[in-house]
Formats: sequence, structure tokens, C-alpha cells
Amino acid sequence: AAGVIQSPRHLIKEKRETATLKCYPISRHDTVYWYQQGPGQDPQFLISFYEKMQSDKGSIPDRFSAQQFSDYHSELNMSSLELGDSALYFCASSPTGGRVGELFFGEGSRLTVL
Amino acid sequence: KNQVEQSPQSLIILEGKNCTLQCNYTVSPFSNLRWYKQDTGRGPVSLTIMTFSENTKSNGRYTATLDADTKQSSLHITASQLSDSASYICVVSSNDYKLSFGAGTTVTVRA
Repeated sequence: AAGVIQSPRHLIKEKRETATLKCYPISRHDTVYWYQQGPGQDPQFLISFYEKMQSDKGSIPDRFSAQQFSDYHSELNMSSLELGDSALYFCASSPTGGRVGELFFGEGSRLTVL
Repeated sequence: KNQVEQSPQSLIILEGKNCTLQCNYTVSPFSNLRWYKQDTGRGPVSLTIMTFSENTKSNGRYTATLDADTKQSSLHITASQLSDSASYICVVSSNDYKLSFGAGTTVTVRA
């Protein structure tokens, strides 16, 4: 079965540009989570969505926004990019509102800001 | 202070040998604990997930234990293979949206 799909896998942007990352969850998974992992750091929770509504918010900068669409895929929009935004961005999906706690992670999207 | 502490930070073992990784946590209230295997630059892959009432769970050559009283978990790798070389991350959840990640243990298996 297909896993969580993230695109693009690699992205290079310059400062002050914008970037959009996409996440396609596993079929019938209704919850999506976004994490940011800087070089040598633990993944940090950014934001999550359940049934197309934001369910929780972590350390997501105001320059970032995200949404979950009717087909349950999610997009993370990042504006006014800064060098510190360079990181690996993981998306994870979970079935049934995140209960019974199994998360399935995507391969990640590596963003490099020059 | 990180609420999830893993040890050792790294270890090297010979192919075919066993090893045990440790995870201590202070996250409260506790929902579940997961062990993930992560190859460099790749997404974490779930190995096991345990709730409060579970003491041990196996996934092939991986066996995880949980002592919710002492807030400790271990991951035992049996008969290691070269493909086991990776970072092993302990993740503790206090609810189903926020996770506390350990820094990981880097395992290197040598022939």
C-alpha cells in the first residue's frame, strides 16, 4: 500500500521567497501532522489537521500557514523565507482523528534557503 | 530540558550481535511510547507503539519494553544486520497531537 507522499522531496529557495510543501496522506487517514527538523535537531511539531480543520498548533511561525483540503491532502505554505527555515519538513498521517496513536511519516521535504 | 532522554548517544556493534537502547521520559500524562528507525535524511519508520498497559512488544528482531512506573523503555535488537544501521528515536506522546522526541541513538553495525 502507498505510504505518505510528500512533494517536492528537495527544494531550494532564496531569502524572502515563498515555498509550498505538499503532503498526501495514506488513504482513509483523516489527520495530518507537520513537523520541522533542523540540522542536528529533534523534529518540532508545527501544526495538525483533522477532517480539514486545524486541530492543534505548535511552534509554527506566523510566516507559515497550512491547510487540509477536501481530499485530505495538506499544504504548508511558507513566506518571507529565512535562512533558519532550512530544514527537513515531515508530514505524518493518522487514521480516525489521531486516536490509537499510530503515525505514518512521509520521507520528508528538504528545504534549503540560500 | 528534554522530556525524553535516550542512551547511549551512539554505539557500534558487530553484525550478528545484540544490543539494547534505552529511553527515559518525564512526559506526563502519558499516552503512548513509540520507537522509530530513521535513516539519514529519510522519514522515521515506526517499529513499535506501546500504551500504558503494555510491557513488551515485538516487531521481528526488534523488541521494545515499557515500564510505565519508572518511565523507562528499551529497544532490543537481536542478531543485528548491516541494514540496522540507523538512528533509533524514542517518541512519547502525552496526547495524540504533540509528541516529545528523544535525540536518538545512532547504531552502526559493522561486518
